[in-house]
Amino acid sequence: GAVVSQHPSRVICKSGTSVKIECRSLDFQATTMFWYRQFPKQSLMLMATSNEGSKATYEQGVEKDKFLINHASLTLSTLTVTSAHPEDSSFYICSAGRGPLAPQHFGDGTRLSIL
Amino acid sequence: AQKVTQAQTEISVVEKEDVTLDCVYETRDTTYYLFWYKQPPSGELVFLIRRNSFDEQNEISGRYSWNFQKSTSSFNFTITASQVVDSAVYFCALSDAAENYGQNFVFGPGTRLSVLP
Repeated sequence: GAVVSQHPSRVICKSGTSVKIECRSLDFQATTMFWYRQFPKQSLMLMATSNEGSKATYEQGVEKDKFLINHASLTLSTLTVTSAHPEDSSFYICSAGRGPLAPQHFGDGTRLSIL
Repeated sequence: AQKVTQAQTEISVVEKEDVTLDCVYETRDTTYYLFWYKQPPSGELVFLIRRNSFDEQNEISGRYSWNFQKSTSSFNFTITASQVVDSAVYFCALSDAAENYGQNFVFGPGTRLSVLP
């Protein structure tokens, strides 16, 4: 069964709206979670590393003020796309592992469409 | 820097044919992990296999098999007797063995496999 739950699975909203995506590890604690972005027909690109209790680490080229990450507990990380615009439309996926050297489990992804 | 190459962008086969998806990787690490994931049209990633760099034994799981060859830095994936349900994008990925395991997760560009009835 799923060990990482991501919600919502699909969002359609107007330009200028802020959208929050949740990523939960269901049966294990994850001090670190990862957020990826996938444009149509392209591979997954790591956006940021979410660290419980501290600031997220963003990959080069990712705007931290645009993509707010909060890792409030050992089982929940949220990604908020602030003032979303059509170019933010994408597929966002989170992942988490049970610990070092453990396989990453991926959420089912969130398809974000900004009109 | 780590890199994963999947030279085949799209492959189409007819049901029951065998198909091999190629994966070539680059890394300077001596310890690393290789993965294959399946992404069906619904979008979620389905874990298929993880292989440690020290384990070069080929693996077979049902209709799936993997050929890991360090000498050529390749980790190819073969589907035997393909089925329509195998139609998906397949990603090969590489990770080092650092503590922040997922941070150094590098995906290949993916190969879109279409299995025709």
